[in-house]
Amino acid sequence: DAKTTQPPSMDCAEGRAANLPCNHSTISGNEYVYWYRQIHSQGPQYIIHGLKNNETNEMASLIITEDRKSSTLILPHATLRDTAVYYCIVRVGGGADGLTFGKGTHLIIQP
Amino acid sequence: EAEVAQSPRYKITEKSQAVAFWCDPISGHATLYWYRQILGQGPELLVQFQDESVVDDSQLPKDRFSAERLKGVDSTLKIQPAELGDSAMYLCASSFRSGANVLTFGAGSRLTVL
Repeated sequence: DAKTTQPPSMDCAEGRAANLPCNHSTISGNEYVYWYRQIHSQGPQYIIHGLKNNETNEMASLIITEDRKSSTLILPHATLRDTAVYYCIVRVGGGADGLTFGKGTHLIIQP
Repeated sequence: EAEVAQSPRYKITEKSQAVAFWCDPISGHATLYWYRQILGQGPELLVQFQDESVVDDSQLPKDRFSAERLKGVDSTLKIQPAELGDSAMYLCASSFRSGANVLTFGAGSRLTVL
């Protein structure tokens, strides 16, 4: 799986959009970008994934650059409950291999 | 919503003792994963099962760790003997291995070795 680079921490004001960047410059053509988050003392939770088109679901939006070398996870209206560590992971879609986690970005939502 | 069940939620043990963790994946999920997460780091894959077969245990310290999934449903991860460095969160996840192969994680079992 391709390596990813994320800032170690970010702050965002409650009610504002939180934009979490991820660099994956060595991504292969068949690799998807997945985002998971981990709230303190809980297991990781799936958020969203995409290949090359932008994706949106009830939790977030995923914007992938045209060259696919970077992406941004957007939480449109952050709440205090969105405080968590966010992991950007690149892997072959539908592959059976386990996810390879980095250290992620610790997002802190400020009241 | 279906969940991955894990027990115990917390375990405190002394070094050199044996400890076991149990995981019940979401019904129908053929793939099961055990991860270890040391404080401040991301989860690290220990072992992966496809039904009852191990497909990847390359990161499992086999001198003291063992894992089984005898009937291809629930699974047990054992440590014997436990060492101080084994203090961590042990996470179980399962997936349907279809489409995006999204992993669903349990809440984890936090181990403290004294």
